[in-house]
Amino acid sequence: NAGVTQTPKFQVLKTGQSMTLQCAQDMNHNSMYWYRQDPGMGLRLIYYSASEGTTDKGEVPNGYNVSRLNKREFSLRLESAAPSQTSVYFCASSVEVQGTNQPQHFGDGTRLSIL
Amino acid sequence: GNSVTQMEGPVTLSEEAFLTINCTYTATGYPSLFWYVQYPGEGLQLLLKATKADDKGSNKGFEATYRKETTSFHLEKGSVQVSDSAVYFCALRGGGNKLTFGTGTQLKVEL
Repeated sequence: NAGVTQTPKFQVLKTGQSMTLQCAQDMNHNSMYWYRQDPGMGLRLIYYSASEGTTDKGEVPNGYNVSRLNKREFSLRLESAAPSQTSVYFCASSVEVQGTNQPQHFGDGTRLSIL
Repeated sequence: GNSVTQMEGPVTLSEEAFLTINCTYTATGYPSLFWYVQYPGEGLQLLLKATKADDKGSNKGFEATYRKETTSFHLEKGSVQVSDSAVYFCALRGGGNKLTFGTGTQLKVEL
């Protein structure tokens, strides 16, 4: 079972470059999420998509854009990378059934360094 | 807004020691509570959850009880192993799909 797959696993960018992080899930989940993880700050939600065709801002959306390409794929784009965006990025997905609390399933992360 | 506070790490224990990682929360309404674990180089995995007051979540020898009166969800394990070394995150889910995470607590278990 692949679960949530993120590509690439590692990337180094120069300030001002653009980059798209890819995420795909094979669990037929309707909701998908992008987080960043920084030391001492836990995980912070960047954007999420409750269903195909919808996206919403999370806690720290500035400097990012997202695309829910289809039910499986949810990409995160940095248009002009800045050193403050150096982080580990996690994609997650979940099936949302009203009245239940389903867990989010996470990918292994993308380690992004911006010089 | 919602928030989660965890004890700071790192926590270093000897194998077979008792583990407690404290977690308290602030939320409106009746959130669901979760513990996630992150092994080195990997993403987060759900460890256990509790959806209402007095529920006890348990998995792999870990337990946590949802205490509404103290707004707490402390993680415990009676006898830790070296393989339990990881970062543990407490999280809550209020209205909607979004999770609010604590900052994480690193656990290191030594022989």
